[in-house]
Amino acid sequence: NAGVTQTPKFQVLKTGQSMTLQCAQDMNHNSMYWYRQDPGMGLRLIYYSASEGTTDKGEVPNGYNVSRLNKREFSLRLESAAPSQTSVYFCASKGGYPGELFFGEGSRLTVL
Amino acid sequence: GDSVTQMEGPVTLSEEAFLTINCTYTATGYPSLFWYVQYPGEGLQLLLKATKADDKGSNKGFEATYRKETTSFHLEKGSVQVSDSAVYFCALSSGGTSYGKLTFGQGTILTVHP
Repeated sequence: NAGVTQTPKFQVLKTGQSMTLQCAQDMNHNSMYWYRQDPGMGLRLIYYSASEGTTDKGEVPNGYNVSRLNKREFSLRLESAAPSQTSVYFCASKGGYPGELFFGEGSRLTVL
Repeated sequence: GDSVTQMEGPVTLSEEAFLTINCTYTATGYPSLFWYVQYPGEGLQLLLKATKADDKGSNKGFEATYRKETTSFHLEKGSVQVSDSAVYFCALSSGGTSYGKLTFGQGTILTVHP
């Protein structure tokens, strides 16, 4: 019963380093999303993929890139990390009901 | 653009107390409304939803009614338990070409003491 799996769960980076957050879902969902969660600001959409082969910017895309590798996998890349990107990142996929998103457990990223 | 505003937290209650978490929204058209819950160390889970005006969503003793006239979707529970301690997020989806994207409120931390 894996659902949405994210890796890594924790990561510490230095300013300027790069890294990729991996996400995979096993529910055969078409749409996938990357959100960031910051205190007092709720969740904000970074990028989404409505279907395999397509990606679009969300509310806060600057400093990030994404790849929809196949139907299961949707990765988020930070090319040159900045302290402002310290956050908890959540991957999600969309179920059958309107607005029903299934979330991973989150990846806590700290940029020093 | 779309926005969701939740009451400021944190909220601290004793077990069996009545809970209300206020949520109001701004959106074009006729959005669907949701409450998500995040337990410590976990991702968000859908708690309940309402897709049209006057609909009442309910789950696990929680309820919320979609009020178009007041653009509100307040979360209520008659008797909270310690296990309800979590962060609660109100959210909306505008539908159409939004591809299921959700706009979230800032979250309300609920702590229930025995």
